[in-house]
Amino acid sequence: GAVVSQHPSRVICKSGTSVKIECRSLDFQATTMFWYRQFPKQSLMLMATSNEGSKATYEQGVEKDKFLINHASLTLSTLTVTSAHPEDSSFYICSAGKTGRSEAFFGQGTRLTVV
Amino acid sequence: TQLLEQSPQFLSIQEGENLTVYCNSSSVFSSLQWYRQEPGEGPVLLVTVVTGGEVKKLKRLTFQFGDARKDSSLHITAAQPGDTGLYLCAGASGGFKTIFGAGTRLFVKA
Repeated sequence: GAVVSQHPSRVICKSGTSVKIECRSLDFQATTMFWYRQFPKQSLMLMATSNEGSKATYEQGVEKDKFLINHASLTLSTLTVTSAHPEDSSFYICSAGKTGRSEAFFGQGTRLTVV
Repeated sequence: TQLLEQSPQFLSIQEGENLTVYCNSSSVFSSLQWYRQEPGEGPVLLVTVVTGGEVKKLKRLTFQFGDARKDSSLHITAAQPGDTGLYLCAGASGGFKTIFGAGTRLFVKA
């Protein structure tokens, strides 16, 4: 199989605090993982590519200092939303690719609410 | 910048009707996926097409990849209320970096 798990599935935090979201490939190793953001009634927008052992590559318009990505092992990437504000409230989804397959596999998503 | 244009973005039909969703781009993709997403959940893969002209069937769903690998379509025959949901096309141009179309929100009325 190819299972990608995200934690937590839901999180509520106060404005100004930081939140860490984990993305794990449970039964395969992934040198590359991807982070997406999805606002209500919209599609998934790619935020960044997480590269194991090196810096993440961010899409245009995504603040790298606000969305910190760490990919310290072949099965784990983390996204930290720093100094979160209500406008950061969104559905965050990660994906990972498995060697030999054409498509990436997606986690179940994390609903972030900043109050 | 690669873009995937998906249409229609919203579709409301009666049970039993047929429908087609289109996904178009000016870019060539090494593979194209169709996903279905339920509220509050991650997208679930329906199918991957990799060969130009490829046609795949999944029960009442028929997926087609254009000859030039720039476009795709999803056709649903005799839609049922259980088909209601958000359908997303997505393309990969190399590696696993995937971009998504805007999505099609389908509502099938009983």
